[in-house]
Amino acid sequence: GQQVMQIPQYQHVQEGEDFTTYCNSSTTLSNIQWYKQRPGGHPVFLIQLVKSGEVKKQKRLTFQFGEAKKNSSLHITATQTTDVGTYFCAGRGYGQNFVFGPGTRLSVLP
Amino acid sequence: DAGVIQSPRHEVTEMGQEVTLRCKPISGHDYLFWYRQTMMRGLELLIYFNNNVPIDDSGMPEDRFSAKMPNASFSTLKIQPSEPRDSAVYFCASSLGGSGQGGGYTFGSGTRLTVV
Repeated sequence: GQQVMQIPQYQHVQEGEDFTTYCNSSTTLSNIQWYKQRPGGHPVFLIQLVKSGEVKKQKRLTFQFGEAKKNSSLHITATQTTDVGTYFCAGRGYGQNFVFGPGTRLSVLP
Repeated sequence: DAGVIQSPRHEVTEMGQEVTLRCKPISGHDYLFWYRQTMMRGLELLIYFNNNVPIDDSGMPEDRFSAKMPNASFSTLKIQPSEPRDSAVYFCASSLGGSGQGGGYTFGSGTRLTVV
């Protein structure tokens, strides 16, 4: 079945440093979503990417969908302590349900 | 809108007891999902409904788990009998359309279940 992988599993950064998490699917995706879960909280939807090579920005966050629609990335510029949490990608194959990746847990040291 | 509402927030029960988790989706959303989250297995889709009809329950671990959606504003996930390995956070999520029409899934705050 469809598998979604994310790297790294954990990332510790100093406040102000950049952060990137990568998402890879075993199959071609129709679309991909990104979520953020704060410690003790629930996943919160960030964005959806649909088109090959699509790039979307939300303030300091940049999301990219690969040309082959099998991978995606989330980049945070100049991290802040409010960025702490686990970032999940969720990939949807054609005619299938979304499959969540294992997440990347981000720690930001002040 | 108050968002997706789940109850209870925490549940501690003894092995063998029946547990019922409840969810009220966002009004107007036509999809409802039940997920389980553990450290070992991450976020797992258990079952989802479309217009109150169960569409895919292939993620339900075993016959001890059952889910119902009697109407558009209420769903339950029942575990009977419960076992310690069922301990996890159970999330309910709803969406407009299968992928959320670009707005994604809205998750509830979850129910943290501990079976002792």
